Amino acid sequence: DTGVSQDPRHKITKRGQNVTFRCDPISEHNRLYWYRQTLGQGPEFLTYFQNEAQLEKSRLLSDRFSAERPKGSFSTLEIQRTEQGDSAMYLCASSSGLAGVPDTQYFGPGTRLTVL
Amino acid sequence: GNSVTQMEGPVTLSEEAFLTINCTYTATGYPSLFWYVQYPGEGLQLLLKATKADDKGSNKGFEATYRKETTSFHLEKGSVQVSDSAVYFCALTNTNAGKSTFGDGTTLTVKP
Repeated sequence: DTGVSQDPRHKITKRGQNVTFRCDPISEHNRLYWYRQTLGQGPEFLTYFQNEAQLEKSRLLSDRFSAERPKGSFSTLEIQRTEQGDSAMYLCASSSGLAGVPDTQYFGPGTRLTVL
Repeated sequence: GNSVTQMEGPVTLSEEAFLTINCTYTATGYPSLFWYVQYPGEGLQLLLKATKADDKGSNKGFEATYRKETTSFHLEKGSVQVSDSAVYFCALTNTNAGKSTFGDGTTLTVKP
C-alpha cells in the first residue's frame, strides 16, 4: 500500500505564471483534501473532495485557485497568475471517508512553491 | 468555529527528559483528536489519535488522552530521544465533516 504522493516536490516560478500540482491519494480512499502551510504555521484547509465532488472550499481559495478530481482518483490544484503571497507548502491528504467511521487523514510529502 | 491552541515553542530538552506539549481545543459536537509530527522538509505523519472522550492514543512511546471536561489532548513522552526532534501539530476533525483544524505547531529540539 503506497501512501499519498505529490508531484512535483518543489516548484519555483515567476510571478504571474500558472502552476499545477498533482496529488495521488491512497488507493480506495474516497476523500481528498488540499491544505496550505506557511512557515511557522499549521496547515490551513483549502478544499476537499468526496469522490469526484468538491464538497467544500475555504474562503482562502481565491478565484485564481481551482482544484479538480475528475475521476475520483488523483487531483490537481492549479494556481493562475501566481503572486508572491502564494509561496507556501501545498499539502494533500486522503481518508477513507466511510460513513460513521472517524475520519483519519493521511498526508503526502507536499509541494513547496516559491514565487519569485 | 473550531480552533486548536498549542503551547508556544520552541521546546528544548535533553535526551531522556520528560516531554509534555499542551493542546486545548474548541469544537462543536464530538471531534476526533490527532497529533501529527513533521520532520524538516516533509509532510505530516500521523503520530496518534483518539476518537472519543477518555480514549488514550499511543505510538512510539508518545501518549495523549482525550479529556472532554478540560477540552484538552496533551502529548506526553517519558523519555525523549534526539530523533524525536521535529514539529508537532495537534488537530481535530468533526466526525464525517471533512476538514481538519490544526494548531500552529510546537518545535521540539532534543539535545544529546
